[in-house]
Amino acid sequence: AQSVTQLGSHVSVSEGALVLLRCNYSSSVPPYLFWYVQYPNQGLQLLLKYTTGATLVKGINGFEAEFKKSETSFHLTKPSAHMSDAAEYFCAVSPLTGGGNKLTFGTGTQLKVEL
Amino acid sequence: GAVVSQHPSRVICKSGTSVKIECRSLDFQATTMFWYRQFPKQSLMLMATSNEGSKATYEQGVEKDKFLINHASLTLSTLTVTSAHPEDSSFYICSARGGTEGYTFGSGTRLTVV
Repeated sequence: AQSVTQLGSHVSVSEGALVLLRCNYSSSVPPYLFWYVQYPNQGLQLLLKYTTGATLVKGINGFEAEFKKSETSFHLTKPSAHMSDAAEYFCAVSPLTGGGNKLTFGTGTQLKVEL
Repeated sequence: GAVVSQHPSRVICKSGTSVKIECRSLDFQATTMFWYRQFPKQSLMLMATSNEGSKATYEQGVEKDKFLINHASLTLSTLTVTSAHPEDSSFYICSARGGTEGYTFGSGTRLTVV
């Protein structure tokens, strides 16, 4: 079984400030981990993913995330927020093997960027 | 990169009618596709998993007779909402397993039943 917890349904930052979106997961098998962004009335766009190898993963639009197995975390960060980053962000996990390859999503975090 | 095309993006239908939503993988073969439903301000809820050439696997609580899924080819899966009612109004999103991203999502369909 697997689950994802995103702490903070709403996060507000000033433009230029650090963005930190938290994600903790639970998985009985080694996981793949993902961060997606969703703009209103659109599908999901992959920001980055962790499969194996380097635990610090760099994605699009300046985002990165670090897989910390000991903390079962995969927090998303961006050094400097931009107005265009305002959107809904979802963390997701899928099993490395088995489980029907299903993605399990967190409840999402709405990021607001203020001037 | 991998692209999944989902149509229509918006549809309004009368209560009691059926609506078909298409999901196509444009540049890769998708043996597995997933259908999600998303309520306002909420996360994605997996409805079913479809595998090419076989019956879809529905999640607990999802009515298979209301939400008909067909995955007849490696590039096309369809979701038909039968005898739609206002409570079926929602945002439906498909996803295909494959391509470099692992999972590629369609752009979603906003269904409004009046």
